[in-house]
Amino acid sequence: RKEVEQDPGPFNVPEGATVAFNCTYSNSASQSFFWYRQDCRKEPKLLMSVYSSGNEDGRFTAQLNRASQYISLLIRDSKLSDSATYLCVVMTTDSWGKFQFGAGTQVVVTP
Amino acid sequence: DTEVTQTPKHLVMGMTNKKSLKCEQHMGHRAMYWYKQKAKKPPELMFVYSYEKLSINESVPSRFSPECPNSSLLNLHLHALQPEDSALYLCASSQDLSGRGHEQFFGPGTRLTVL
Repeated sequence: RKEVEQDPGPFNVPEGATVAFNCTYSNSASQSFFWYRQDCRKEPKLLMSVYSSGNEDGRFTAQLNRASQYISLLIRDSKLSDSATYLCVVMTTDSWGKFQFGAGTQVVVTP
Repeated sequence: DTEVTQTPKHLVMGMTNKKSLKCEQHMGHRAMYWYKQKAKKPPELMFVYSYEKLSINESVPSRFSPECPNSSLLNLHLHALQPEDSALYLCASSQDLSGRGHEQFFGPGTRLTVL
């Protein structure tokens, strides 16, 4: 079983709509959580860290559910420029330095 | 400034060549990383340096040789590579290895093709 799992998608989203997707992790020692976006043939860019209380950055909202061991990302009012692969990244306290990557969720925003 | 720079952007090399990839950051970060990424796959960790010392080597073949000359620079020396080593090589840095909120920042990568 992979340590970090994501629905690969693609999630086809009309412009202006809301999309949400999850990432599950298996190691209960997971401590730090992040969402990155990656455009085709580019490097991953940090979208946001995910904190226990949940956090919001503009149209993006991230939540952490430790009991069920998943994090989520919600994108409101989707823009064409939100089309990308969203990578879930987890670090555990028993392997500092080894950021565990999910395989990514592809989001395609259509006009 | 959250910038990590990498050179070269593209590299084509033969299996007998020796080349080096370079990475630089000026954020005062003390942890630096090399990743390899194949198309439609997530980045795979290769090496981690912490305070200029090699901290993690993910059983990478010896044809890849990392070097951390100082806290701002990270090199990856390449020798006798195979065509299957063709990939995007990403450098990243973070504040350090421990604690909460130590996000990684990635460079733009070097796209390597081995002929």
